[in-house]
Amino acid sequence: QSVLTQPPSASGTPGQRVTISCSGSSSNLGKNSANWYQQFPGTAPKLLICSNNQRPSGVPDRFSGSKSGTSASLAISGLQSEDEADYFCATWDDSLNGWVFGGGTKLTVL
Amino acid sequence: EVQLLESGGGLVQPGGSLRLSCAASGFTFSSHAMSWVRQAPGKGLEWVSAISASGDRTYYTDSVRGRFTISRDNSKNTLYLQMNSLRAEDTAVYYCAKEANYYDSRGYYYNWFDPWGQGTLVTVSS
Repeated sequence: QSVLTQPPSASGTPGQRVTISCSGSSSNLGKNSANWYQQFPGTAPKLLICSNNQRPSGVPDRFSGSKSGTSASLAISGLQSEDEADYFCATWDDSLNGWVFGGGTKLTVL
Repeated sequence: EVQLLESGGGLVQPGGSLRLSCAASGFTFSSHAMSWVRQAPGKGLEWVSAISASGDRTYYTDSVRGRFTISRDNSKNTLYLQMNSLRAEDTAVYYCAKEANYYDSRGYYYNWFDPWGQGTLVTVSS
């Protein structure tokens, strides 16, 4: 069982807006920033959002992140077929003294 | 271009040992903390271990503490993970990842993994 809680799946049709939630606790998201990673089958994860809401160079502005209290969210607007992937949230946990990940959300574009 | 290249994975029997390496290039290796993250087949990501930029501080997830040892050689730009007493549940793709970080104007600290290596598969089976 993952320390951060994500829905196992999400879906949407092309052009729709989809959000993926990530719930934590006071020792992790309550104190530290949220990061999001995108992973396609058979490939390494790639940074999608860092520092709660910052997009690295090259990430489309269709992707956005937010954090409030002990929860974080990833939003994808104007959904495209190439967004079909697994998405993971992550942060540092001050109590565990280590990084923690969400279980991952498999996004399906219908 | 920042690159991380893992090696050393393979098939090992339960109770055996393996040493993974991660060769880094394209950035000042000695200035960044590094981590190992693993992913069991069909499962999510699990952080395994981290090491500070200088190598003086190490961190482990509970399930590997006492069995795995993370280390680095900054003169060779290489990160290592020595894995002993391997178990079937250690079977996974192991990724190395570079930690990036900064303090904002208010003094808040932000850190994240970028980039990740391509991964090396470790299979523990008899």
